[in-house]
Amino acid sequence: GENVEQHPSTLSVQEGDSAVIKCTYSDSASNYFPWYKQELGKRPQLIIDIRSNVGEKKDQRIAVTLNKTAKHFSLHITETQPEDSAVYFCAASPRDTGNQFYFGTGTSLTVIP
Amino acid sequence: EADIYQTPRYLVIGTGKKITLECSQTMGHDKMYWYQQDPGMELHLIHYSYGVNSTEKGDLSSESTVSRIRTEHFPLTLESARPSHTSQYLCASSGTEPIRGYTFGSGTRLTVV
Repeated sequence: GENVEQHPSTLSVQEGDSAVIKCTYSDSASNYFPWYKQELGKRPQLIIDIRSNVGEKKDQRIAVTLNKTAKHFSLHITETQPEDSAVYFCAASPRDTGNQFYFGTGTSLTVIP
Repeated sequence: EADIYQTPRYLVIGTGKKITLECSQTMGHDKMYWYQQDPGMELHLIHYSYGVNSTEKGDLSSESTVSRIRTEHFPLTLESARPSHTSQYLCASSGTEPIRGYTFGSGTRLTVV
């Protein structure tokens, strides 16, 4: 089955700096890669996603890149703000499992004012 | 507004009691999932369903059971609660085509004393 690894597990950055979270996946059948943000005490929320036919996607300060050959994808947050502090989860979804999602272990991001 | 609803939000219960955690969605989604999550930690899949009368166990061994008699309803039952069941339980749903990320419920925080 699919195996998703996520690094780092914790990340601290100064406000205004960039943050990068990386994930690798094992199943070449994975064709959809969502990212979730979970603030303390709240539900995970989808913040950006990318499909396997695209190499990069941007939404304001957030971007995701995908390298299918190397089987890794990354979340980039620019100009970080304190409200970006949260736990971030990546996921991969193989088309041959009915697109069940396999989650990474999470990255706790702290933005220091 | 279409969403996924979980009740109760918080539950404290004694050891040995039977409990049912409710999950309903108005998203029109076929697929529903139950995850167990300690605060800010990894998401563990315990049950999923791809449609009415279809249920499967996930990766995490669980003493719970689920049912899917109606498309919009996916309750989770613990026949005999134990302190080791203390955790947060998140329900999620997803559509089929085009594939999009899960929508998560707000969770039930369960404490077994």
